[in-house]
Amino acid sequence: DGGITQSPKYLFRKEGQNVTLSCEQNLNHDAMYWYRQDPGQGLRLIYYSQIVNDFQKGDIAEGYSVSREKKESFPLTVTSAQKNPTAFYLCASSIGDEQYFGPGTRLTVT
Amino acid sequence: AQSVAQPEDQVNVAEGNPLTVKCTYSVSGNPYLFWYVQYPNRGLQFLLKYITGDNLVKGSYGFEAEFNKSQTSFHLKKPSALVSDSALYFCAVRDGRNTGKLIFGQGTTLQVKP
Repeated sequence: DGGITQSPKYLFRKEGQNVTLSCEQNLNHDAMYWYRQDPGQGLRLIYYSQIVNDFQKGDIAEGYSVSREKKESFPLTVTSAQKNPTAFYLCASSIGDEQYFGPGTRLTVT
Repeated sequence: AQSVAQPEDQVNVAEGNPLTVKCTYSVSGNPYLFWYVQYPNRGLQFLLKYITGDNLVKGSYGFEAEFNKSQTSFHLKKPSALVSDSALYFCAVRDGRNTGKLIFGQGTTLQVKP
């Protein structure tokens, strides 16, 4: 997990509220990624960014938004439009082939 | 479209026995293949990768993987399992469009019993 921090580790929100998950890296990596992990479904890509001030939708971007104003930061906002937001969220960064993952944030929405 | 399949939800082995976690892939062009491990409530840790070259790739913690082009497989192996190897293992393939994106299998839980 070294070099990538995600905060908080656990997050609880009421339905209808937007929530922002933090991801910071000090690895000087250009690319960053957000994944969602649900039991039995592996990791699914939400958004990715290959360079500052640019990002693309992944496979399940609906109900999520991101920004990439700084190289080291890639925050993810889970909006009220996301129908099933309770999940484990993983941030990653890469330079070259390997991706390096943060420790994850477990979001529970009730 | 690129895809990865891990046909087993769970693999059970006894400590000291060899282990194999299976992965098959479907890609256009040459595959870039990866194995990651995840311990409970943690992020993923990189184990090994195949880009080109020798079909037997050695990685972290004594793991290795065998690339088989004809069978489109990339099985993870270890000669002697440890209880501490118990975790969730993911196979992944790089998206062929040079975006750096990875496509992950659904994961296989490895349970090593003493």
